[in-house]
Amino acid sequence: AQSVTQLGSHVSVSEGALVLLRCNYSSSVPPYLFWYVQYPNQGLQLLLKYTSAATLVKGINGFEAEFKKSETSFHLTKPSAHMSDAAEYFCAVSDQGAQKLVFGQGTRLTINP
Amino acid sequence: EAGVAQSPRYKIIEKRQSVAFWCNPISGHATLYWYQQILGQGPKLLIQFQNNGVVDDSQLPKDRFSAERLKGVDSTLKIQPAKLEDSAVYLCASSLTAGANVLTFGAGSRLTVL
Repeated sequence: AQSVTQLGSHVSVSEGALVLLRCNYSSSVPPYLFWYVQYPNQGLQLLLKYTSAATLVKGINGFEAEFKKSETSFHLTKPSAHMSDAAEYFCAVSDQGAQKLVFGQGTRLTINP
Repeated sequence: EAGVAQSPRYKIIEKRQSVAFWCNPISGHATLYWYQQILGQGPKLLIQFQNNGVVDDSQLPKDRFSAERLKGVDSTLKIQPAKLEDSAVYLCASSLTAGANVLTFGAGSRLTVL
């Protein structure tokens, strides 16, 4: 079975500071990994995905994530936080047959002015 | 391209009542998913359709939840009778193929059970 653990249900950073959202996965097969963002009262929007190509993945809005097999991690980063980044972020895993996504519990990102 | 449409956006019902949610996926998307998102948790897959057939309903509480996608296009998720713990946002998503790496989500239907 696959699972995802997001470390920290709530992360708060200052505007302009580095954003780091942590995600560790468990999978018995090579995984696909995803980060989704959810703004209030909206559905989930794909930020980026890892599908066994380059281990450093660049996404929308200046976010990127690095797949580290040895650490079973897929942490999300952004060099400089913007107020508009405030949202809930979900890490998800699927197998490479990609039949379904298993989500983590989410991390709420707050940006302080 | 139009997104995934869901209705109603909000619904409040008493426990033991029934409720139905509707989803219209992106045109041409063969795979449709229903997820349940309880407050403070990540989305959990309830059911996956490939065209009008069920691929995975292992986490669907079949004693009270049902879903159909009769013509392989839009879908309905029903809860009867509702319990307090069913309060959640019900998200519909679709993808062009069965590959989960291209899911597009709707805005969701928020259910409150009193």
